[in-house]
Amino acid sequence: EVQLVESGGGLVQPGGSLRLSCAASGFTFSIYWMHWVRQAPGKGLVWVSRINSDGSTTNYADSVKGRFTISRDNAKNTLFLQMNSLRAEDTAVYYCARESIVPTITGMDVWGQGTTVTVSS
Amino acid sequence: SYELTQPPSVSVSPGQTASITCSGDKLGDKYVCWYQQKAGQSPVMVIYQDSKRPSGIPERFSGSNSGNIATLTISGTQAMDEADYYCQAWDSSTVVFGGGTKMTVL
Repeated sequence: EVQLVESGGGLVQPGGSLRLSCAASGFTFSIYWMHWVRQAPGKGLVWVSRINSDGSTTNYADSVKGRFTISRDNAKNTLFLQMNSLRAEDTAVYYCARESIVPTITGMDVWGQGTTVTVSS
Repeated sequence: SYELTQPPSVSVSPGQTASITCSGDKLGDKYVCWYQQKAGQSPVMVIYQDSKRPSGIPERFSGSNSGNIATLTISGTQAMDEADYYCQAWDSSTVVFGGGTKMTVL
């Protein structure tokens, strides 16, 4: 079964750091681009970041650029999101998602269940 | 930055046709995906490449994209289709989501 399982969320104070993980199984993780997408409470989906298959190319939303770092360990089939200088507005459910390998699909065909990050004092 | 605009909500009666729009500058020049998110669940892709359905998505879901507007159409709407729907496109190397539309099946 194709699966993505996020972990690492929790309560953190403003200015603090947190590292999210996403464990992939059931597919060849190392050939897929991967994304992080977040959703603040009661709000819509917001794209955060993506990384290419070998980790050499990354992109970020302006709102997290310079604070968040996406990375991956293909040997361990795991995607990461290092979040520093956290702000209250970073409070959200964070989803990892797989980008379809079919070029014309241009979307995310597998999503995890999400992990909740709360930034509050 | 590129923006996608959706109506906040739509209502439809069971068995009727629901249409959800997504507007953006020259959106017809891009491929659009649509996602369904039911309450408390993760998003699921229901349309890709403007009008194609992933495996397992019912035929009642269809899409179109032309000019500045993409449209998700749900024919013969069922109670199980009540959910939030999001359009998605690319702006250079970044992903853009619409604000989402809450569809209520009355």
